[in-house]
Amino acid sequence: QLQLQESGPGLVKPSETLSLTCTVSGGSISSSSYYWGWIRQPPGKGLEWIGSIYYSGSTYYNPSLKSRVTISVDTSKNQFSLKLSSVTAADTAVYYCARRWFRELRFDYWGQGTLVTVSS
Amino acid sequence: QSVLTQPPSVSGAPGQRVTISCTGSSSNIGAGYDVHWYQQLPGTAPKLLIYGNSNRPSGVPDRFSGSKSGTSASLAITGLQAEDEADYYCQSYDSSLSGSNVFGTGTKVTVL
Repeated sequence: QLQLQESGPGLVKPSETLSLTCTVSGGSISSSSYYWGWIRQPPGKGLEWIGSIYYSGSTYYNPSLKSRVTISVDTSKNQFSLKLSSVTAADTAVYYCARRWFRELRFDYWGQGTLVTVSS
Repeated sequence: QSVLTQPPSVSGAPGQRVTISCTGSSSNIGAGYDVHWYQQLPGTAPKLLIYGNSNRPSGVPDRFSGSKSGTSASLAITGLQAEDEADYYCQSYDSSLSGSNVFGTGTKVTVL
């Protein structure tokens, strides 16, 4: 059974860079059938797609966050990572990693999520 | 600001049928992109409920059904049960937003 697990600091200071890693187990991140993505959810609010990456390193990002987001992949560790720069309180959210089908575009496996709070 | 609009809340008594709409535009649902639905129980990660407009993953009860027409999609829950109380989100793809995956605004289903 595929599992995804987010890890990283739960508290980040304003103006700093948020860094999270998603470790995939029970399957290969190098499969040609999937993209791997990050989605976030501010407390009490809806879901927002941040960006996605293919095992080859091809990425695409939410235009509203593109200037601050970098997603990378490490196939040797079966992990992919998120960096979000210049964070503010508005970036406080539960961050989820998820698997997205290449063609059908659905997110079928999700991590449990990790709360990141931006505060000094 | 999401490009897919859902009603903030719907409610129904146990056993009743409720529907949730997801309204998009010609650059997403109306362009032929599939709609997927997710159920998010309190304090948990979203779970894929319906994919490809009307398909249920293994293990999802047939009380849940999806449909799509024009620039909108709908999720129906028949025989509403207490455990269906959750937030529901639609998701699609928008060609006008540089290849964006877009989520709906979300709908809270309350079982009376």
